Amino acid sequence: GAVVSQHPSRVICKSGTSVKIECRSLDFQATTMFWYRQFPKQSLMLMATSNEGSKATYEQGVEKDKFLINHASLTLSTLTVTSAHPEDSSFYICSAILSSYNEQFFGPGTRLTVL
Amino acid sequence: QKEVEQDPGPLSVPEGAIVSLNCTYSNSAFQYFMWYRQYSRKGPELLMYTYSSGNKEDGRFTAQVDKSSKYISLFIRDSQPSDSATYLCAMSAGGNTGKLIFGQGTTLQVKP
Repeated sequence: GAVVSQHPSRVICKSGTSVKIECRSLDFQATTMFWYRQFPKQSLMLMATSNEGSKATYEQGVEKDKFLINHASLTLSTLTVTSAHPEDSSFYICSAILSSYNEQFFGPGTRLTVL
Repeated sequence: QKEVEQDPGPLSVPEGAIVSLNCTYSNSAFQYFMWYRQYSRKGPELLMYTYSSGNKEDGRFTAQVDKSSKYISLFIRDSQPSDSATYLCAMSAGGNTGKLIFGQGTTLQVKP
């Protein structure tokens, strides 16, 4: 299957700081990537859809000014959590669609802890 | 009512048992159906991908889709302790967005 990587895998930061998470498709080009967050023992919650070269589409209730998404190339999307607060602590996972298929491949996730 | 319903379990079975995992859905526009396996603190791993109705087999895994009943299943034969994980069903109507709707996930424990 296709490989999606995320960096960093784990980050701890102080309240009020910004954190950037990278998502890369390693062996394919992804015109569309997605960002999810997952709380313990819960399913994935879609935050936004990221399209290369255009603005991200955010799900209802997700603050676009707080969760900045940039899809700079066909293999890289970044999520920046601005002015992070403890309630932003979560597991953030990205995914990418393989070209013309609808198969969606996920990265390994980034665990964010805001102190 | 959620668009996709999945029993969260937990489901505990002995090693070697046949496991049946299920999801029901309400949106008749869904055409693409997927099963993901997620180990604790890891990203989901795509196990099975099915378009429209029918069966698909891959090793010990069989996925079934019954669009008339809006019901999908994943069967695991000869279950192993390494199959212990959370299994998420996901589906999509397709089109340009590719947006997936996930079930809650079923936690499976296979006991040696």
